[in-house]
Formats: sequence, structure tokens, C-alpha cells
Amino acid sequence: DGGITQSPKYLFRKEGQNVTLSCEQNLNHDAMYWYRQDPGQGLRLIYYSQIVNDFQKGDIAEGYSVSREKKESFPLTVTSAQKNPTAFYLCASSITYWPQHFGDGTRLSIL
Amino acid sequence: AQSVTQLDSQVPVFEEAPVELRCNYSSSVSVYLFWYVQYPNQGLQLLLKYLSGSTLVESINGFEAEFNKSQTSFHLRKPSVHISDTAEYFCAVRKGGSQGNLIFGKGTKLSVKP
Repeated sequence: DGGITQSPKYLFRKEGQNVTLSCEQNLNHDAMYWYRQDPGQGLRLIYYSQIVNDFQKGDIAEGYSVSREKKESFPLTVTSAQKNPTAFYLCASSITYWPQHFGDGTRLSIL
Repeated sequence: AQSVTQLDSQVPVFEEAPVELRCNYSSSVSVYLFWYVQYPNQGLQLLLKYLSGSTLVESINGFEAEFNKSQTSFHLRKPSVHISDTAEYFCAVRKGGSQGNLIFGKGTKLSVKP
């Protein structure tokens, strides 16, 4: 079955450490997105990519980085510059102009 | 700037009662509107969408939403809810000028009690 796979489901970060969240899709979608979800805040866009080797900052990109070397993959790195990384991170993909499909998320916590 | 307001953060109802989850948006351009549902510790699933045409859209599990341009609303309704409808519901609007970016409301937690 086609879908979006996010891994790991739970992740812990130590002080000063960078961590990378994986997002893979086999839907052949061109566009991919990363959102951060905090309780009562809805979803906020971190980065998005409409095409391979190109990506754009969303509303809260500071402290995060991404790459898009393959159509299927859009990893998100949470750097040590992100001072409040504890959140639920959601990856999504879409065909341009169509609704987004979401993965099951990664919950990141600070040790 | 576009925005989405979900007027209720929590809505408790009894099983088999009707429910309405309210969503208002602001936009100066044509809009595309969506409702997503999220069960605990899962991603979002598309519930229904309004792109054009009929202003009343329906989902396969009994939810419906009506696009009201004059009131800039896209409220979600169900005539009789089940325990399994307990979840968080997000209203979203496609950002004007973008190819797919969405702006989300802050969510409404629907709690269905027996």
C-alpha cells in the first residue's frame, strides 16, 4: 500500500545534539512538507519542498534544516539551535494543488 | 493574510447527539477548504474538502460541511455521533498564491460520551 512512513515514532534529544527525523513516501508525490504540532497550537509549517533539490522555509524554520535529494525522501534535522524542540512532528506529501497526505508522526522529547 | 479560526477548542457531546464544529476563515482570494481528523498519536486524515461546485460536501462516515462565502465559514456537522468519532478535528485553508501550502486552525477536540 502507498503511504508516508515516518521514523522513529519516538525520539529523545540531548542538550547540544542534532537529531534527524526520517520521512519517506511511495505515493510519487512531488511536494513534501514538515509541520510541528504543539498542544492547542494546531500545525505550523517548518519547511516544504515542491521539487527535488529545492525547498522553502515555512513559518517556523529557525533551528531546523532539511534536504530533498530524492523525490521519496524529505528528512528533517532538528539542530541544537532549536531551543524548544519538544513537539509532535508531522510529515506530509501531495500532488500539487491536491490535499495533503500525512504520516503518523514522530514525537521528540528532550532528555 | 489568510487565517483560520476554530471557535471551540473542546466540544463534549453524548453519543447519538448532533454536533457542529465551527470554522471561520479570512481570505481575499478564492479558497479551498479542508477538514482533517486526528486520532491520538496518529497523523491527520482528510475528512472532506471543498474545492469548487456544490457548497455542501460530505464524507463517507456521515460528516458534512457547508461552504458559506458570505459568512466565511466552513462548519462541520454530524447528525448523530458515535464514540468512535472522538478525535481532534482541524479546519484548513489553502494559502493563496501557493501550490499546496495549508493554513490550519488550532483544532477542536470532540469528546463523545456514552
